[in-house]
Amino acid sequence: EIVLTQSPGTLSLSPGERATLSCRASQSVSSSYLAWYQQKPGQAPRLLIYGASSRATGIPDRFSGSGSGTDFTLTISRLEPEDFAVYYCQRYGSSPQGTFGQGTKVEIK
Amino acid sequence: EVQLVQSGAEVKKPGESLKISCKGSGYSFTSYWIGWVRQMPGKGLEWMGIIYPGDSDTRYSPSFQGQVTISADKSISTAYMQWSSLKASDTAMYYCARPDSSGVVDYWGQGTLVTVSS
Repeated sequence: EIVLTQSPGTLSLSPGERATLSCRASQSVSSSYLAWYQQKPGQAPRLLIYGASSRATGIPDRFSGSGSGTDFTLTISRLEPEDFAVYYCQRYGSSPQGTFGQGTKVEIK
Repeated sequence: EVQLVQSGAEVKKPGESLKISCKGSGYSFTSYWIGWVRQMPGKGLEWMGIIYPGDSDTRYSPSFQGQVTISADKSISTAYMQWSSLKASDTAMYYCARPDSSGVVDYWGQGTLVTVSS
């Protein structure tokens, strides 16, 4: 079973700064079946990125995804106040349910 | 518009049984997998299991096999998850989630909070 490890656990940044979140897989993720989700307190997760780099409908272009194989990155170019949240990566495609990483919290510094 | 609407919060005692639900609308319920994700207080997301309502094919994550039962009633476009004997450690938020044809989850329910306490 593929394990996804996200780093750092917590990222403390100020609005306007750039955020770089990492997701590393224990084995290669085929066809870049890697997604990123955002979860705010009290809310269900929301899909941000799929296929490693494609933005979901309605997601601002300050969010971008990159990577392949075992190393993937979510970048938020300039943090807005509403971007402070927890972010999860997920590997999907090989089984109906996929696997989540443990999450990275982006908090206000 | 695709919607997943879950049943309301529950407060139960250890040893009690429980069945929570997730009603899908705005799409062909029998053509997509629908699953359940657990989030324990302050923790991350864990897939529990998933069902394909078209043929009732059901898959469980190893950690949850034998702990819960997932089912679906396609006549009313509703998925269920049930426990026969709750434990305090079952206290969590439970989300239903619908992956698209590639497996990425594009729709989520609003969550059902289950509290198990004596």
